[in-house]
Amino acid sequence: KQEVTQIPAALSVPEGENLVLNCSFTDSAIYNLQWFRQDPGKGLTSLLLIQSSQREQTSGRLNASLDKSSGRSTLYIAASQPGDSATYLCAVGVGANNLFFGTGTRLTVIP
Amino acid sequence: GAVVSQHPSRVICKSGTSVKIECRSLDFQATTMFWYRQFPKKSLMLMATSNEGSKATYEQGVEKDKFLINHASLTLSTLTVTSAHPEDSSFYICSARDRATGVSNQPQHFGDGTRLSIL
Repeated sequence: KQEVTQIPAALSVPEGENLVLNCSFTDSAIYNLQWFRQDPGKGLTSLLLIQSSQREQTSGRLNASLDKSSGRSTLYIAASQPGDSATYLCAVGVGANNLFFGTGTRLTVIP
Repeated sequence: GAVVSQHPSRVICKSGTSVKIECRSLDFQATTMFWYRQFPKKSLMLMATSNEGSKATYEQGVEKDKFLINHASLTLSTLTVTSAHPEDSSFYICSARDRATGVSNQPQHFGDGTRLSIL
């Protein structure tokens, strides 16, 4: 069974700092990997989707990488802002419909 | 584009009440929608896959008679929590995949979730 782990569980950084969030998964037979943002009490906003054949995706200040063979992905956030404060979830797409989610990293960017 | 609307956003009701949650794809058609449950500080867990015009597929451990799913059209799926009890209190989130893309490696689009509190 696929297991997804995110480290650290919580992270606080001062505004302007660059940071990296980590995601690892146990089974490398994946369709894709997706990073989401979740604000408190809210649903999920998709940030980046990396297909299994890709190594990375970029959107603005965000860059996500995927190393399928080692079962790892990172989300790099450049020049962090207080508005980036949220919980970041990674999810691995397996099979036709299944998404396996990690427990998330709660990010706080301090002004 | 690809907006999923979920309603209501919050429900507080007495034990024994049945609660219906709606999930609508606003600007696309979805033959497949998904229902997730999220406990505090826990990850999302898939409960069931809702298929338009056919029965839902439930994940192991999810009671189909407890969580009734109906996907009567290409833009609407409903989840009914029957005879809800305090242990059913949770955050329920739906998602949908655009029928036009159709392939399994395309993203799911998520609603804003429903906070269900059973007293």
